[in-house]
Amino acid sequence: DARVTQTPRDKVTEMGQEVTMRCQPILGHNTVFWYRQTMMQGLELLAYFRNRAPLDDSGMPKDRFSAEMPDATLATLKIQPSEPRDSAVYFCASGLASKGTREGPGTGELFFGEGSRLTVL
Amino acid sequence: AQTVTQSQPEMSVQEAETVTLSCTYDTSESDYYLFWYKQPPSRQMILVIRQEAYKQQNATENRFSVNFQKAAKSFSLKISDSQLGDAAMYFCAYRRETSGSRLTFGEGTQLTVNP
Repeated sequence: DARVTQTPRDKVTEMGQEVTMRCQPILGHNTVFWYRQTMMQGLELLAYFRNRAPLDDSGMPKDRFSAEMPDATLATLKIQPSEPRDSAVYFCASGLASKGTREGPGTGELFFGEGSRLTVL
Repeated sequence: AQTVTQSQPEMSVQEAETVTLSCTYDTSESDYYLFWYKQPPSRQMILVIRQEAYKQQNATENRFSVNFQKAAKSFSLKISDSQLGDAAMYFCAYRRETSGSRLTFGEGTQLTVNP
């Protein structure tokens, strides 16, 4: 049963600490997205990758956030230093982008991981 | 930029009844996709239904169906024969036709199912 795997599921840390969240996309998927969910802002796109190359990270605070894909099976989102306002659920999602026809794989939806709940004290 | 609006923060329905969740969106594109995702308390995002904008026929998935009004840019979700397990946050989402592009989400509607 293919699924997106995220770790950690829950993380509590103190302000100023480094936090790293990891995501294993579904094997064969070539797009990876990081979303942040908060009560106030809802679901916000932080960054996304296609074929491991960053396409857009404009939603991410550059001074403290960084997102990478060291290889096709791992995406990371790092916060350094963390702040209380970073408390949220962080979702990773993967999908398959192709030049498929309207009926083909190009219409693929995103598959989400279970999210990492981050609490910064 | 595309925007998605869900004007109902909360909705409730009696078990076995029908409920409709509303969604409107704004785009200048002619080809795109619309989705409804369900997020139960487990927080897992689950795809409920998908609609391609070029298709005139409304999508259906068992008890879930949509009313897609392209000219009005409206995309509502109808849940028939509501079940307790349908209780969740429901998100409407938009994606351009370009393969691999991002999803833009609405604010969500919290659905309560009363026994």
